[in-house]
Amino acid sequence: QSVLTQPPSVSAAPGQKVTISCSGSSSNIGNKYVYVSWYQQLPGTAPKLLIYDNNKRPSAIPVRFSGSKSGTSATLGITGLQPGDEADYYCGTWDDSLSTVVFGGGTKLTVL
Amino acid sequence: QVQLQQWGAGLLKPSETLSLTCAVYGGSFNGYYWTWIRQPPGKGLQWIGEISHGGTINYNPSLKSRVTLSVDTSKNQFSLRMTSVTAADTAFYYCARGPSDSRPYPDFFDTWGQRTLVTVSS
Repeated sequence: QSVLTQPPSVSAAPGQKVTISCSGSSSNIGNKYVYVSWYQQLPGTAPKLLIYDNNKRPSAIPVRFSGSKSGTSATLGITGLQPGDEADYYCGTWDDSLSTVVFGGGTKLTVL
Repeated sequence: QVQLQQWGAGLLKPSETLSLTCAVYGGSFNGYYWTWIRQPPGKGLQWIGEISHGGTINYNPSLKSRVTLSVDTSKNQFSLRMTSVTAADTAFYYCARGPSDSRPYPDFFDTWGQRTLVTVSS
């Protein structure tokens, strides 16, 4: 059981938009001093940082990817879906009560 | 462009010690926390711990009793040692770069190694 809760799977058609939620608590996402990050993991590869500090993108990440945080939840948005976006997506942050980094269980994105 | 290259034994017997090393190429070794994360096959990510170039260490409390992190600044390398492994430690192990060591929390990882599958089996 992961500390952060993500839907196991989401799906959408090419060109459409999808959102992936990440639900936590006051000791992690709800802590105003910590930030949420998002990762994309293609099959057989290492995770790749998509979003950090809740809503910032590394320079190589397309603007199609966005992040937000509100209260004890965070959301990853992907617009203009492409077949290459099919992957597992993970959220992560610091948990002050557990004194450790925590991740969501992952969401498998299918581009129909 | 910083790159991480990791290596270590991939097959262990129960009760043996896991040992992995990660080398940092093409970027500064100073000023960051260097991290180990693992992922059981088909499952999610678990943070193991982090170490700075100066030797400041933070461990996941659930693994702290069995884990030791170390750093060799002369080689820009950092290492993971985990004792008394069991089948539950079977996982892909990743080294990764955390944010600047001036940040209060290690809340993102921007560069990852290629992963090492460690299998624990008798």
